[in-house]
Amino acid sequence: GQNIDQPTEMTATEGAIVQINCTYQTSGFNGLFWYQQHAGEAPTFLSYNVLDGLEEKGRFSSFLSRSKGYSYLLLKELQMKDSASYLCAVRSWGNSGGYQKVTFGTGTKLQVIP
Amino acid sequence: GAVVSQHPSRVICKSGTSVKIECRSLDFQATTMFWYRQFPKKSLMLMATSNEGSKATYEQGVEKDKFLINHASLTLSTLTVTSAHPEDSSFYICSARGELRNTDTQYFGPGTRLTVL
Repeated sequence: GQNIDQPTEMTATEGAIVQINCTYQTSGFNGLFWYQQHAGEAPTFLSYNVLDGLEEKGRFSSFLSRSKGYSYLLLKELQMKDSASYLCAVRSWGNSGGYQKVTFGTGTKLQVIP
Repeated sequence: GAVVSQHPSRVICKSGTSVKIECRSLDFQATTMFWYRQFPKKSLMLMATSNEGSKATYEQGVEKDKFLINHASLTLSTLTVTSAHPEDSSFYICSARGELRNTDTQYFGPGTRLTVL
């Protein structure tokens, strides 16, 4: 089975930096995604990591350590519109092989305050 | 712009009817499409994975005779909720996996909110 853990809620101040952690346990790992989801909407893609290291995209960065089963999403220069849920998702090979599936964590609800 | 479309965005139906939801990848060929269900304030629950031209793989606990998935082409997958009941009311989201701008990733459709009366 798979197990993905991330904090339920976080609060941060506008203009600050926040790091959202995600730990996972899985077999057949083949990539980790971060998505942003505003209430009532579908998730939107933020980042994808399959190799160890840091991927930077503007104000958002994502880090992966496969040996530790650990990732984080870093949001810089926080804006009020960044208030949303952030979902960590792990892609892995299915039990019977031949296909891959993505499993989501429960999401971290980030509230940005003035 | 949107790379995955989903239709309809919202549907209300009577109990016992069937509802079909379409998912299309717009800018790329989707080798794999996923169907998720999301309850209020809950994370996404994977229902099934479909590869073009083959039968869908359903997650444990998902009834394949109730949630029919067809992946007829590399740009279209459909989910049919058969004989819908009020407990099937939910937010259904598809995602498509493919290469876009040299990145192998997964993009989501905007979701379909199903309400069964």
